Amino acid sequence: DVKVTQSSRYLVKRTGEKVFLECVQDMDHENMFWYRQDPGLGLRLIYFSYDVKMKEKGDIPEGYSVSREKKERFSLILESASTNQTSMYLCASSKQVSVKAFFGQGTRLTVV
Amino acid sequence: GNSVTQMEGPVTLSEEAFLTINCTYTATGYPSLFWYVQYPGEGLQLLLKATKADDKGSNKGFEATYRKETTSFHLEKGSVQVSDSAVYFCALSGSGSSNTGKLIFGQGTTLQVKP
Repeated sequence: DVKVTQSSRYLVKRTGEKVFLECVQDMDHENMFWYRQDPGLGLRLIYFSYDVKMKEKGDIPEGYSVSREKKERFSLILESASTNQTSMYLCASSKQVSVKAFFGQGTRLTVV
Repeated sequence: GNSVTQMEGPVTLSEEAFLTINCTYTATGYPSLFWYVQYPGEGLQLLLKATKADDKGSNKGFEATYRKETTSFHLEKGSVQVSDSAVYFCALSGSGSSNTGKLIFGQGTTLQVKP
């Protein structure tokens, strides 16, 4: 089975901290995505990547950046965490032009 | 732009009841349509999909038919179980040259099934 692994299930960070969320997939997928999930809003795309060192903004990139130095790893970076970034963060991956995405279990981030 | 609208939740049903969760979409071209399910404490899993008009996706007793004329992809199940309690997300992705693999999600519908 495809496995998408997020490094932490729960994180608590302080306002202003730099936060790294890590995601690793083991199926050689080209595409990787970061979404945030908020009640009543569904999932919204933050950033995505089609290949190593490539990245594109999603619908809500403000306050975030990403890094993809290796094909299997896609990192989400909160440069200076704020309380409005308290959310569930979901990583996903898919084969190029595939219609099926595989999701990690999510990281619930609380910024205090 | 593309968008997905789901019925408001939560939906509370008794075991063995019939389930419908409505989903409508706005999109250019011919998107692929999906239902994802999120069980408590877990990530999203693909439940079913349809890639062209009139396709019916089905899995685990759930069904949804891609209706282009009504731009809908309603999820149905004839007899729900307690184990179906979860959050259900309708989603679409682009087609042809606009198929970037990105998914656009509805807001999610929470289903609670009581014994």
